[in-house]
Amino acid sequence: AAGVIQSPRHLIKEKRETATLKCYPIPRHDTVYWYQQGPGQDPQFLISFYEKMQSDKGSIPDRFSAQQFSDYHSELNMSSLELGDSALYFCASSAGRGTTGELFFGEGSRLTVL
Amino acid sequence: AQKVTQAQTEISVVEKEDVTLDCVYETRDTTYYLFWYKQPPSGELVFLIRRNSFDEQNEISGRYSWNFQKSTSSFNFTITASQVVDSAVYFCALSEAPGGSYIPTFGRGTSLIVHP
Repeated sequence: AAGVIQSPRHLIKEKRETATLKCYPIPRHDTVYWYQQGPGQDPQFLISFYEKMQSDKGSIPDRFSAQQFSDYHSELNMSSLELGDSALYFCASSAGRGTTGELFFGEGSRLTVL
Repeated sequence: AQKVTQAQTEISVVEKEDVTLDCVYETRDTTYYLFWYKQPPSGELVFLIRRNSFDEQNEISGRYSWNFQKSTSSFNFTITASQVVDSAVYFCALSEAPGGSYIPTFGRGTSLIVHP
């Protein structure tokens, strides 16, 4: 069965650069979630989208932005990167804002900021 | 305040020992979901179980079992006869819907080390 696809899997950037992460949800899933997991930390919710509109907002920095496109894929844009942005970024998808409680995670994109 | 508390930061056992990972949660919602995820060294989050607030039945899946007790707001996870491949960080998560959408909140995780 198709799972959540994230790209790239690994990304290395310099400080102050920009990075974009992509997430392709499971077909027919209309909700996408982004999480950030720093080294040795638990995943922290950043932002979610439902039917291409922002649904909920967590601890997403102002330097970050995200959107969900007409095909339901989502992109997380990170600008003015800082060393502290080095983390594993997870995308998850669900049907109907997760009302069934079923959330499916991708394998994550590991961002390293040098 | 932490909504999901995993008091055990790290547990070290020897292969074949049984081990229980504790999870205590806090919510005012009557409808919520609880999860356990496994994160091996490779980094991906592997879904283990989902339980809704109306189903307090304990569950067993092979060597894994889960004990959900609403009276104590706990959702503990037991691995029987642990194996080296069980070594990972295990996260408990709570999903509630104060605004209508379910956003999982994770505990800080318990690192399980199984020695041969």
